[in-house]
Amino acid sequence: NAGVMQNPRHLVRRRGQEARLRCSPMKGHSHVYWYRQLPEEGLKFMVYLQKENIIDESGMPKERFSAEFPKEGPSILRIQQVVRGDSAAYFCASSPPIADTQYFGPGTRLTVL
Amino acid sequence: AQKITQTQPGMFVQEKEAVTLDCTYDTSDPSYGLFWYKQPSSGEMIFLIYQGSYDQQNATEGRYSLNFQKARKSANLVISASQLGDSAMYFCAMREGRDNYGQNFVFGPGTRLSVLP
Repeated sequence: NAGVMQNPRHLVRRRGQEARLRCSPMKGHSHVYWYRQLPEEGLKFMVYLQKENIIDESGMPKERFSAEFPKEGPSILRIQQVVRGDSAAYFCASSPPIADTQYFGPGTRLTVL
Repeated sequence: AQKITQTQPGMFVQEKEAVTLDCTYDTSDPSYGLFWYKQPSSGEMIFLIYQGSYDQQNATEGRYSLNFQKARKSANLVISASQLGDSAMYFCAMREGRDNYGQNFVFGPGTRLSVLP
């Protein structure tokens, strides 16, 4: 049973470029969550999605950030016109609809030069 | 207001000794779940242990146990017989809401544990 997959593991972008982070949930999991972790801090919730639906995006910055979880394929977290402050680790987690816990992927470490 | 508080930014423990990592939480929801995750230097988040608010007994998973004191709203993690590989950041997290239906987690700031040989 493959765990939550995220790619790329490391992503370097220059200011103003776009970053696309991908997350494939565990088999049988229909819920995906994205979190951001700044250096030396805990994880902060960004967005919660089900297939083709955004359920809760209360943690997403109002501009430049978007997320989707299409019917087919991975969930995508998209950051447009990246700035240095976007440098962080971005974690994806997944769960089945009724879940005791969320299972995390290995994270994508975004560095903005 | 902080929902999850971890008051120990860093902790040291001697190998083979037990250590307790503190976590207090704040919620008005009668149904919630409490979790501990380990984040080693490699960066991944590893699930350790879960405690439901209605669970009568403290959760245990191998060398990990959760000292759940509901009235005090505390959920401390106890690691017995520490090993060098236990050196990592430890995060306490809470999920609010009944039936675990797709709720996001709130994480504490973490405690960095260093196990000394």
